[in-house]
Formats: sequence, C-alpha cells, structure tokens
Amino acid sequence: NAGVTQTPKFQVLKTGQSMTLQCAQDMNHNSMYWYRQDPGMGLRLIYYSASEGTTDKGEVPNGYNVSRLNKREFSLRLESAAPSQTSVYFCASKGEPAGSGNTIYFGEGSWLTVV
Amino acid sequence: SQQGEEDPQALSIQEGENATMNCSYKTSINNLQWYRQNSGRGLVHLILIRSNEREKHSGRLRVTLDTSKKSSSLLITASRAADTASYFCATDAGTGNQFYFGTGTSLTVIP
Repeated sequence: NAGVTQTPKFQVLKTGQSMTLQCAQDMNHNSMYWYRQDPGMGLRLIYYSASEGTTDKGEVPNGYNVSRLNKREFSLRLESAAPSQTSVYFCASKGEPAGSGNTIYFGEGSWLTVV
Repeated sequence: SQQGEEDPQALSIQEGENATMNCSYKTSINNLQWYRQNSGRGLVHLILIRSNEREKHSGRLRVTLDTSKKSSSLLITASRAADTASYFCATDAGTGNQFYFGTGTSLTVIP
C-alpha cells in the first residue's frame, strides 16, 4: 500500500497565484488532515475532514480552502498565495479506533515557496 | 495555540546514552501519541498512550503519562545514531478527530 500520497513535492508560486495540493490515501480512513510545518512552530492544523462530505477548520485556516472529493482524496487550495504561506504542508489520515486506532499516517510533505 | 509543548527544544547525546524528552499539554485528552520525523520526511507514529494508562513500553521506548500534571515523557534507551530525528507529541481534543502537535524536540545522537 502507498499510504498517504501528496503532490506536488515542491512548488514555487508568485504572490497572488493559486494552486491546489492534492492528497490521497488508500487505507480506507474516514479522517483526513492538512497541517503546515514552520521552523520553531511545530505542526499546525489547517483543516480536517472527519468523514466524506464534511470539513472543519483547524488552528490556522485563513487563506486556505479544502475539498473532500471522496473518501480517498482531500485537497488543499490556496486561492491567492502570500509569502506567509511559505511552508511545508503535510497531509495525513487517521484510522478508526477499532482498527488501527488513532494512529495518524502522514504523507511525505509538500514544500511550498511563495515569492 | 498549540496543545502541546516539548522540552528540551534540542538534545545532543552520545550513542548508548538514554534520551528523555518531555511534553506538556493544556486540556483534557483521550490519548497522547509520540511521533518521529527524520529530516525532510513526514512524521511516523511511535507509540500511543491512553489517558487511563500511566506507562507504556515499546522496544527501546518508554512513555509515561501524568494527566494530573498534563505531561508526558518519552524515554529512548541505549540510543543509536539512527535515532537522530525530531520527536513530537500529539494530543487529541474534543471528539478525538482533531490532533494537535507540539513544537518538537530535536535529538542528535553522536556516534
């Protein structure tokens, strides 16, 4: 199994451009997450989706939108990129308590630079 | 604001020594997890401890949880150079669907 796959791995954007980060998981998980990681800040939750068709804001949702396209896919969109959104973005998914428990599985990250 | 905070921020030890890192959190939790992140990679789950547990072992890892102090510690025994990584604690909140990570401890194990 591939686990959690996110694309692209690296992206450079100009201020004001838009882009979508794609994420897919093949573990049949209900819950999916988008985090950003900045130096000295750890990981901060942007949005999450507890199940297909639902999305909720995390700690730092401003400037982002998400779509839970189906059970497998959860995308993150930057409508008008700003330099403050330069970060490493991680997609993650979570198993159910009866199965793999609350373990969160992470993708390998997407490095985004906004110039 | 983030739920968890680890300390120390950075730790450097000799191979074979034990490494201890601590995590403090702010609100009631269902469980606490520890993750490891190698440079340039995603996070990998190490161990989960439930709120009604006080100690848990997995190989060279020992985790303790003190819910009265809202703190946890991760002990890595007989460290190896391959243990060099950043370590994060994660706590869940509310319904258990939201997970919040601390700022991490950067561990360097010197061969």
